[in-house]
Amino acid sequence: AQSVAQPEDQVNVAEGNPLTVKCTYSVSGNPYLFWYVQYPNRGLQFLLKYITGDNLVKGSYGFEAEFNKSQTSFHLKKPSALVSDSALYFCAVSHSGGYQKVTFGIGTKLQVIP
Amino acid sequence: EAGVTQFPSHSVIEKGQTVTLRCDPISGHDNLYWYRRVMGKEIKFLLHFVKESKQDESGMPNNRFLAERTGGTYSTLKVQPAELEDSGVYFCASSPGQGGSPLHFGNGTRLTVT
Repeated sequence: AQSVAQPEDQVNVAEGNPLTVKCTYSVSGNPYLFWYVQYPNRGLQFLLKYITGDNLVKGSYGFEAEFNKSQTSFHLKKPSALVSDSALYFCAVSHSGGYQKVTFGIGTKLQVIP
Repeated sequence: EAGVTQFPSHSVIEKGQTVTLRCDPISGHDNLYWYRRVMGKEIKFLLHFVKESKQDESGMPNNRFLAERTGGTYSTLKVQPAELEDSGVYFCASSPGQGGSPLHFGNGTRLTVT
């Protein structure tokens, strides 16, 4: 069975500082990894994904994530946090090969402090 | 293009009643997923349609839940009879093609069973 762990319920960071939201995963075969963001009373919005190739992937709003196969991690990062980045962030995994379900983590609340 | 739409946005029902949630995916998306999030917990997979067929329904809690996807277009999720533990936010998502495509989420239906 595939799974995702987001070890931090909440991450607090000062505006302008770099941020990291952690994610580790477990899956059989080659992983497809995703980050989504949820703003209040809205659905999840896709940020970025890793399918294959370069381990550092760049996405929307200046976010990036690094795939580390040996550590089975896919941490979300941004060099300089904005107050508007405050939201709930979900890491997700599926695996290659046909139609596959996507498994989500518990979510991490990011609070950017002005 | 129109996004994924869900109806209703909120529903409050009494224990033992029936509720039907509806999801209209993005036109042309073969994959349709139902997920549920209970407050503070992970976004839990319920089931996955590919066109009109159930690809994976391993996440359906019990036989009080029935999902259908008419002609491979919109989908309904019926809960009958509802129990208190069914409360949560039900998300629908769709995607085109096979694995690796990001999911497009609706805004969710918040179900409260009293």
